[in-house]
Amino acid sequence: SAVISQKPSRDICQRGTSLTIQCQVDSQVTMMFWYRQQPGQSLTLIATANQGSEATYESGFVIDKFPISRPNLTFSTLTVSNMSPEDSSIYLCSVWGSGELFFGEGSRLTVL
Amino acid sequence: GENVEQHPSTLSVQEGDSAVIKCTYSDSASNYFPWYKQELGKRPQLIIDIRSNVGEKKDQRIAVTLNKTAKHFSLHITETQPEDSAVYFCAASINSGSASKIIFGSGTRLSIRP
Repeated sequence: SAVISQKPSRDICQRGTSLTIQCQVDSQVTMMFWYRQQPGQSLTLIATANQGSEATYESGFVIDKFPISRPNLTFSTLTVSNMSPEDSSIYLCSVWGSGELFFGEGSRLTVL
Repeated sequence: GENVEQHPSTLSVQEGDSAVIKCTYSDSASNYFPWYKQELGKRPQLIIDIRSNVGEKKDQRIAVTLNKTAKHFSLHITETQPEDSAVYFCAASINSGSASKIIFGSGTRLSIRP
């Protein structure tokens, strides 16, 4: 199984600021994803983080709002830009490995 | 677009009874169907999965059935215990070009009454 470390685990942010979430995996993985889980809701896929190329965004998510980096096969970052209270969510990094999808512990963001 | 529908949204069963959660999917090319359990404040954890080449899979008290013709699959938990209380998510693989992604249902909050 893959061990995924995310940081920060939680943060309180001011409206209009940006925050970058880091995701580190203990092994090289081809497929890495970012999900959002709003309070009491399901997991919504934001984008697939592609190593060495631009991320592939899902409908309703754009690069200007959620820029993603994937410099190598073990690391990715997700930035939540120009935050508003509606961005208060848990953001989860996930990777595909050994035939299943693993999740990090998530980053809980509260935007005031 | 691609979606996975899940019901019920909440389910309360007596301890020892069975619980059933049902999902439908829209993409006929989907071939992988995992189920995740998420306890309060924790990350989702895979509890069982099934691939399109089988119709049923069982792991102790948990079983999953798949009907590809009807595009629906179900999770069955027998002899429920208090520790089964959690939110359960079904999911399906969506193939987009050369890549795949996993799309989740809306979740079922399962409560086990003592």
